[in-house]
Amino acid sequence: KNEVEQSPQNLTAQEGEFITINCSYSVGISALHWLQQHPGGGIVSLFMLSSGKKKHGRLIATINIQEKHSSLHITASHPRDSAVYICAVGSARQLTFGSGTQLTVLP
Amino acid sequence: EAGVAQSPRYKIIEKRQSVAFWCNPISGHATLYWYQQILGQGPKLLIQFQNNGVVDDSQLPKDRFSAERLKGVDSTLKIQPAKLEDSAVYLCASSVVRGDTQYFGPGTRLTVL
Repeated sequence: KNEVEQSPQNLTAQEGEFITINCSYSVGISALHWLQQHPGGGIVSLFMLSSGKKKHGRLIATINIQEKHSSLHITASHPRDSAVYICAVGSARQLTFGSGTQLTVLP
Repeated sequence: EAGVAQSPRYKIIEKRQSVAFWCNPISGHATLYWYQQILGQGPKLLIQFQNNGVVDDSQLPKDRFSAERLKGVDSTLKIQPAKLEDSAVYLCASSVVRGDTQYFGPGTRLTVL
């Protein structure tokens, strides 16, 4: 069993839809990260959170430490949101990554 | 502020050849990471440096992979000899200190034929 599990693996949505990507983990962590990876490989850090909820523009990330679960929400989705979204959990030593969710937003 | 720089962006080699990747982290970042990302998977940590010392290389295939970070700034990752299964994107990241937000470079896409 992977230490970090994401669902769904693939997600196709229509422009304007509300999107949720889920992440469950099985190890103790100091923080959880949501990352965005566009075609070509470059990765951008979206959020780092250890409790509660964070919001940046149309993106919202929540974490439930007791349930070892986090969600990334995208409101009013747009085709430019199409990317791979990766959940990673961090200890003081390193990050452990999920396999990512491929999001495609159709116009 | 300049981001993490990597070169080359793409490399195609034949199996058993050697290849080297270069990374220049964000200025002032003490911690540097090399990751291997195989298509369809999340990144896997290969090696982590704190300044010019190795902190974690437990997942580095040391029979063929090597990395160094001389002077605690730039880093190179080498594969010698390459195998087909080494085809992947090699990502470099840096952070101010261990456990802090990591900033990723654009990656080097390696194809081994």
